[in-house]
Amino acid sequence: AQSVSQHNHHVILSEAASLELGCNYSYGGTVNLFWYVQYPGQHLQLLLKYFSGDPLVKGIKGFEAEFIKSKFSFNLRKPSVQWSDTAEYFCAVSRSNDYKLSFGAGTTVTVRA
Amino acid sequence: KAGVTQTPRYLIKTRGQQVTLSCSPISGHRSVSWYQQTPGQGLQFLFEYFSETQRNKGNFPGRFSGRQFSNSRSEMNVSTLELGDSALYLCASSLFTLAGPNNEQFFGPGTRLTVL
Repeated sequence: AQSVSQHNHHVILSEAASLELGCNYSYGGTVNLFWYVQYPGQHLQLLLKYFSGDPLVKGIKGFEAEFIKSKFSFNLRKPSVQWSDTAEYFCAVSRSNDYKLSFGAGTTVTVRA
Repeated sequence: KAGVTQTPRYLIKTRGQQVTLSCSPISGHRSVSWYQQTPGQGLQFLFEYFSETQRNKGNFPGRFSGRQFSNSRSEMNVSTLELGDSALYLCASSLFTLAGPNNEQFFGPGTRLTVL
């Protein structure tokens, strides 16, 4: 069974610090990769996605992620966080011919002003 | 373009009852998926419907069922509710089926179900 692992449960940062959230998946075939964000009191929103092509993907709000196929990883990064980035972040994976999206457990990011 | 809408937003039921949740996808989207979100288990896939057909189902008991109508609207039903069914139920829609390429999903705000 496919699984998605997010390494950090809770990350606390100060404003302007850099952020990197790890995501690894266990399936070796063709995958589609996503990062979703859930701000307090809001619904899940797509930050960025990877389907094919350039493994460095840029998303909204200054986020980017790098797909490293050899490491089965899709880590999320932001060079300088803001207080408004406080949220829960989910990595998700789907694969060809599999009609579902598998989510990681989520990482809560708290940015202190 | 209107987003994914879910009704009701909040629901309180007692054990043994059944409940039906509704989801209206983004106009033109033919795939609707359902997820259960709980603090302990995170986001878990329930099922996906595409063109009125269930394409896949997650590891949930048969008490959880769903259907999709010709206008792509979907309903999820949970019978014989248990305390552990208390959760946020999320619906997501996409243009194409999840198994295909470019299967970006858009999520609704969820229905918060509390079972007493």
